[in-house]
Amino acid sequence: DAGITQSPRHKVTETGTPVTLRCHQTENHRYMYWYRQDPGHGLRLIHYSYGVKDTDKGEVSDGYSVSRSKTEDFLLTLESATSSQTSVYFCATLADSTLNEQFFGPGTRLTVL
Amino acid sequence: GESVGLHLPTLSVQEGDNSIINCAYSNSASDYFIWYKQESGKGPQFIIDIRSNMDKRQGQRVTVLLNKTVKHLSLQIAATQPGDSAVYFCADNPSSGTYKYIFGTGTRLKVLA
Repeated sequence: DAGITQSPRHKVTETGTPVTLRCHQTENHRYMYWYRQDPGHGLRLIHYSYGVKDTDKGEVSDGYSVSRSKTEDFLLTLESATSSQTSVYFCATLADSTLNEQFFGPGTRLTVL
Repeated sequence: GESVGLHLPTLSVQEGDNSIINCAYSNSASDYFIWYKQESGKGPQFIIDIRSNMDKRQGQRVTVLLNKTVKHLSLQIAATQPGDSAVYFCADNPSSGTYKYIFGTGTRLKVLA
């Protein structure tokens, strides 16, 4: 699992509140990703990072921001949570040696009321 | 771990039979294809990959076939076991050098005893 942890694992929040999800890895992988998983959509890329302070948008980046100040941490922030952001969020890293295999964290279930 | 109640196409296979899971992709420029397995309550796990210059690759009990003419990918699992029950995703990298993988919606495999 490449030593990926996500926190919190579960969160319930109210519409309009800011939320930050944290991803921490122990393998020093360069690339890190945030996905959301919803019924009928599979995994959709929100943002990804290709190094410290280097990030780029994915398919569904609206309403989300990210920061990567250290190699091991990648934060996902919902500036003002909406009910459409209720989802399961997965963090992933990419193996540096092959640049093909992604390792995923256990996921965070976020509910926005 | 987390999972979602995905409303997915389902393939039901008798234990010991072979399974074939299919995936279509849309970008003819994709140069890399990967299959992932997601067990209930967990993040996806890498199974096998294939480059666009290949049409077949074999692993342990799994074979991936790539047909670039019709933009189709399949995963064959030999002698399917109860532990193979999971959701299977294909993913491709449509932009060489960016490592932004796009995932399919997934197929649920149920192994019948």
